[in-house]
Amino acid sequence: QKEVEQNSGPLSVPEGAIASLNCTYSDRGSQSFFWYRQYSGKSPELIMFIYSNGDKEDGRFTAQLNKASQYVSLLIRDSQPSDSATYLCAVKGKGSSNTGKLIFGQGTTLQVKP
Amino acid sequence: DTEVTQTPKHLVMGMTNKKSLKCEQHMGHRAMYWYKQKAKKPPELMFVYSYEKLSINESVPSRFSPECPNSSLLNLHLHALQPEDSALYLCASRTQARTDTQYFGPGTRLTVL
Repeated sequence: QKEVEQNSGPLSVPEGAIASLNCTYSDRGSQSFFWYRQYSGKSPELIMFIYSNGDKEDGRFTAQLNKASQYVSLLIRDSQPSDSATYLCAVKGKGSSNTGKLIFGQGTTLQVKP
Repeated sequence: DTEVTQTPKHLVMGMTNKKSLKCEQHMGHRAMYWYKQKAKKPPELMFVYSYEKLSINESVPSRFSPECPNSSLLNLHLHALQPEDSALYLCASRTQARTDTQYFGPGTRLTVL
């Protein structure tokens, strides 16, 4: 079992729809959870971070964390073609407090069709 | 301000060359990272520096040599690379806030001929 799992996609949604990206993790002691967006040929850009159970909203983005189910998701409302990118889920484990080491999922490719 | 800068943006080198990648941040972050990323793969951690000391080396071949001259600067020295080392090399720095967030630089696209 991989430490952080994402569906590689592509996930295709029409413009204006809600895109739902999912991530599961195996380390129950994981502390912090991050979503990065990466356009082709560019570096990862931080979209959201979350460390408490529940929802966290920032504009069109909502991160959801359920530690009991070891599940974190990213919802993108009113999806735009410019949201088409690879979304990386990253998790900081309990043993990484000093180093901040992140474990990345394989990434989900999102395609928003006009 | 969450800017991490990297130079050069692109680098082409032969297998006998010696070159260096540079990373700089002025956010007061005390942890800095080197990652390697191949196409359609997530970033792969290479090295972690914490308070200017090497804290993680993920079994990286010795042809990659990191250096942290001060808290704002991180270098990656390259020597005798192989074509399979061609990749996007990313630098990141980490906040010391509760969330421990890493911010990435724009990367250096390295091609080894």
